[in-house]
Amino acid sequence: SQTIHQWPATLVQPVGSPLSLECTVEGTSNPNLYWYRQAAGRGLQLLFYSVGIGQISSEVPQNLSASRPQDRQFILSSKKLLLSDSGFYLCAWSETGLTTEAFFGQGTRLTVV
Amino acid sequence: QKEVEQNSGPLSVPEGAIASLNCTYSDRGSQSFFWYRQYSGKSPELIMFIYSNGDKEDGRFTAQLNKASQYVSLLIRDSQPSDSATYLCAVTGNQFYFGTGTSLTVIP
Repeated sequence: SQTIHQWPATLVQPVGSPLSLECTVEGTSNPNLYWYRQAAGRGLQLLFYSVGIGQISSEVPQNLSASRPQDRQFILSSKKLLLSDSGFYLCAWSETGLTTEAFFGQGTRLTVV
Repeated sequence: QKEVEQNSGPLSVPEGAIASLNCTYSDRGSQSFFWYRQYSGKSPELIMFIYSNGDKEDGRFTAQLNKASQYVSLLIRDSQPSDSATYLCAVTGNQFYFGTGTSLTVIP
């Protein structure tokens, strides 16, 4: 069966520090991969999606970036965090074709102080 | 981003009542429609999906889709306190896009 791992679960980082969140998927090949951010009391904002290795599309221009170095690995990064980067970050995957559901990782609660 | 609109609520219903959650979307090319439930501090989990116009029932849940009106809804019958959560509507066109969610509270 397929599983998705996302870590860390919680993170407190000072303003201006770098960020690296990692997500891996097991049990499937060539998944679509997504990074979402959810601010407190808000919906899911799509940040990045990827349909294959090295193929990254950005939905929202900001100081975050994403990379997909391997088929089932998706990394969210920042060189310098802002206070506004605080939120709940969720990685998700889906089969190609977008007719099946998106499966979510456990999420990372990021607090920038 | 493509627009997916939901009433943020909060929506409160008594235990045993029917809860009705609504969602509209802007992209007429949207292909698939999903309802997710999210408990506070947790990641979303799928409740139902629907692809075709009409109703789809699964236990206490019924999803309704009207592509002409660009409208999808979720009905929860015999609401239980454990149904208290935020319900997210998701729509796929080129990607998965989520609404802001509707907060539901079921009052015992």
